[in-house]
Amino acid sequence: GAVVSQHPSRVICKSGTSVKIECRSLDFQATTMFWYRQFPKQSLMLMATSNEGSKATYEQGVEKDKFLINHASLTLSTLTVTSAHPEDSSFYICSASPGTGLSNQPQHFGDGTRLSIL
Amino acid sequence: GNSVTQMEGPVTLSEEAFLTINCTYTATGYPSLFWYVQYPGEGLQLLLKATKADDKGSNKGFEATYRKETTSFHLEKGSVQVSDSAVYFCALISTGGGNKLTFGTGTQLKVEL
Repeated sequence: GAVVSQHPSRVICKSGTSVKIECRSLDFQATTMFWYRQFPKQSLMLMATSNEGSKATYEQGVEKDKFLINHASLTLSTLTVTSAHPEDSSFYICSASPGTGLSNQPQHFGDGTRLSIL
Repeated sequence: GNSVTQMEGPVTLSEEAFLTINCTYTATGYPSLFWYVQYPGEGLQLLLKATKADDKGSNKGFEATYRKETTSFHLEKGSVQVSDSAVYFCALISTGGGNKLTFGTGTQLKVEL
């Protein structure tokens, strides 16, 4: 079945560091990928929609200069948390769907990245 | 806008008990409905889906039926196992929604021996 790989699985770093998280679709092409943030014992909050070859679409309240998204190919999207601070500590999850943006297709999720900022 | 409401957890059951996790939704048009499962420390896995009214999604002994008249998509399993312990998320994609998922808050299930 469709597989999405997310890397790294865990990051611990000092405040002020920038951290890059990769999301790859391993056996399908995805023109659209999604980035979520999950707080402890809470649901997933959609941060942004990553579009291959164009700018990402950010949800209301998400700082685009803080969370840089690049979708350079049909199988790779990256999320960079710039100048991370302790309040950015969270579980970040990406997802992607096979196809070209057709609606109602199930999304496949990466295993998530646990980001801890000291 | 779209929204998904799930019963609050945690739900604690004994092994082989019957499981129901309620889910209701609000959406325009005819959304597709999903159940995802998240095991500790992992991402989400698609458990089952239904794309139109009266469809029944099923997988690994879990079932859910798309009820348009009650705007519900309740998750059921006849006999739970310890390995079913996880967080379960109900979600929808609305018609023309650009494939964006709207999630419920999640329901934690704990199954004990």
